[in-house]
Amino acid sequence: NAGVTQTPKFQVLKTGQSMTLQCAQDMNHEYMSWYRQDPGMGLRLIHYSVGAGITDQGEVPNGYNVSRSTTEDFPLRLLSAAPSQTSVYFCASSSTGFSNQPQHFGDGTRLSIL
Amino acid sequence: AQSVSQHNHHVILSEAASLELGCNYSYGGTVNLFWYVQYPGQHLQLLLKYFSGDPLVKGIKGFEAEFIKSKFSFNLRKPSVQWSDTAEYFCAVNAFTGKLIFGQGTTLQVKP
Repeated sequence: NAGVTQTPKFQVLKTGQSMTLQCAQDMNHEYMSWYRQDPGMGLRLIHYSVGAGITDQGEVPNGYNVSRSTTEDFPLRLLSAAPSQTSVYFCASSSTGFSNQPQHFGDGTRLSIL
Repeated sequence: AQSVSQHNHHVILSEAASLELGCNYSYGGTVNLFWYVQYPGQHLQLLLKYFSGDPLVKGIKGFEAEFIKSKFSFNLRKPSVQWSDTAEYFCAVNAFTGKLIFGQGTTLQVKP
């Protein structure tokens, strides 16, 4: 079973370029989220969604957009990439938005902005 | 706003040594608590979780954690570490806000 699938695994962008990081899950999970992982800062929540058509901001939403048109997909968009967005991005999902549900993580996208 | 603090950023132990990683959170209400592990080159995996009941919870691979409500703490322990436990460990808290907040992480290096 695939679980949470993120594409691409690696990407290099120039400052100002736009890009969409893809995330798909095949577990029929309602809750999906995006994190960025930076050295010494752990994982910080960017955006999350409790179901199709519903999204909300996390700790560090600036510079990122999300949408949730289907249960399966939760893409993360960088409209104008900046070097400060160089990071490893993880998508996660859980069966519901209830806080006691553990998250299932994808393998990550390593993004470099030059 | 909820926050999570992990006191140890980098821990180096020899095999068979005991491990305790500290985690404190700042939220006065009911919380759900998690420890995740990230092995080199892999994604995060759940080690254990606490929702309610017995404050001493046991997870996979011999790990356990104790929830002490009065201290806002959820420390991770293992009596005897192995080289294969080398990884980064993250404490996380969800305070019924829909947001899972992570600590900064602790890198554990176990020397054979």
